[in-house]
Formats: sequence, C-alpha cells, structure tokens
Amino acid sequence: SQQGEEDPQALSIQEGENATMNCSYKTSINNLQWYRQNSGRGLVHLILIRSNEREKHSGRLRVTLDTSKKSSSLLITASRAADTASYFCATDNAGNMLTFGGGTRLMVKP
Amino acid sequence: NAGVMQNPRHLVRRRGQEARLRCSPMKGHSHVYWYRQLPEEGLKFMVYLQKENIIDESGMPKERFSAEFPKEGPSILRIQQVVRGDSAAYFCASSHGPVKEQYFGPGTRLTVT
Repeated sequence: SQQGEEDPQALSIQEGENATMNCSYKTSINNLQWYRQNSGRGLVHLILIRSNEREKHSGRLRVTLDTSKKSSSLLITASRAADTASYFCATDNAGNMLTFGGGTRLMVKP
Repeated sequence: NAGVMQNPRHLVRRRGQEARLRCSPMKGHSHVYWYRQLPEEGLKFMVYLQKENIIDESGMPKERFSAEFPKEGPSILRIQQVVRGDSAAYFCASSHGPVKEQYFGPGTRLTVT
C-alpha cells in the first residue's frame, strides 16, 4: 500500500483562488517533500519539510506538517493557469527511497 | 549545470524485445534512483544505486529487470523480454546523498506493442 495518499484526487478552481491539497501517510518520517508534474513531463521538486518543522513557505506555496496526525497540506495561493499540474507528496522514512502518493490533479481555469 | 538526463525520451518495443533506459545524474551526484509510473498513478520506487553498487533493489521485479551504475558512464535500467505490462514512464532521479532532495529527469516513456 502507498505511504502517502493525497486528497482530493482532483481539484478544479478558478484563477486567483487558493488550492489546498492534503497528504496522509502511515509510518514515521524524516521529511516530507512535495513535487509537481506537468502532463507528460518529469517531476519538479517544490519544497521539503523536515519532521521537526511545522510549517514552511516558498513563494506562493505554504506547506504544513502534523506528525501527530501523520498528515501534510500544500496550499497554493493566488493560483494561476500555469499551476495546472499533478502534485505529489513523497515521504522519506529513513529508507533508501521516497514513497509517493497517487497525486492530486489540479486544474486552474483562466 | 545540466540536470538529470535520460534517454531515449520515448521508446517503442515489441513484446519479447529488450529495452535499455539510460540516466546521467546531475553533476556531482553519485546516488541514482529509478522509479516507474503507470498512467494516472504516483511513482513507485524500483532501485537505488551508487557507483558500481546496488544499494536497494526492493522495488525491482524479480525477473527480467536489472540495473547498473558503472564507474564510468550513465546508469542503465534494462528490461529483458518486455511485456505489455511494462509500458510505463520510467524516471531516474539523483541526489547528493541518500534520499535527500531528489532531482528528476524528464523520464523515458516505454510503449510495448
């Protein structure tokens, strides 16, 4: 079973609105990372949050981490059409790999 | 600074043929990871390599799949006797150290006909 599970699976919003995506995981982690994937392309690293951090910002992105609930959220503020992509959370649980969730497909309508 | 390079970007093979996917990590990175992505799904870990060593192959199918990362040259993911179910996008990532922030290549999309 997957370590990370994103919610919702798909999200459609208007340009300018905020988009919130959630990720839940099962085991303890060293850090959690969010990636973006445009259709048919590779993954772009967005942000890494360590297990001892609660919140992190990068431009229009805000990531929170609640280790007690084993969950994280990614907020994209003032969305743009160019933000249309799939967003994946990935956990590093001190193994040798990242474990990815199934992704949230975000569509931002102009 | 060139990013992670993968080639070919698209590969079509008939059932039973061999597929060879190549990955050159970012300059200075000695840790390479291969992932597979089926349509509409997330990435699934396959194998983690350092130069000349397979560190973790827990995600590799037991048969037909192999990977190497020689002292010189790119990392190779090899799939022998491909079947339709091998059709997927195969991504390579590299990092400075174990896991850390991984930088992904553009992927190789394998289609088995």
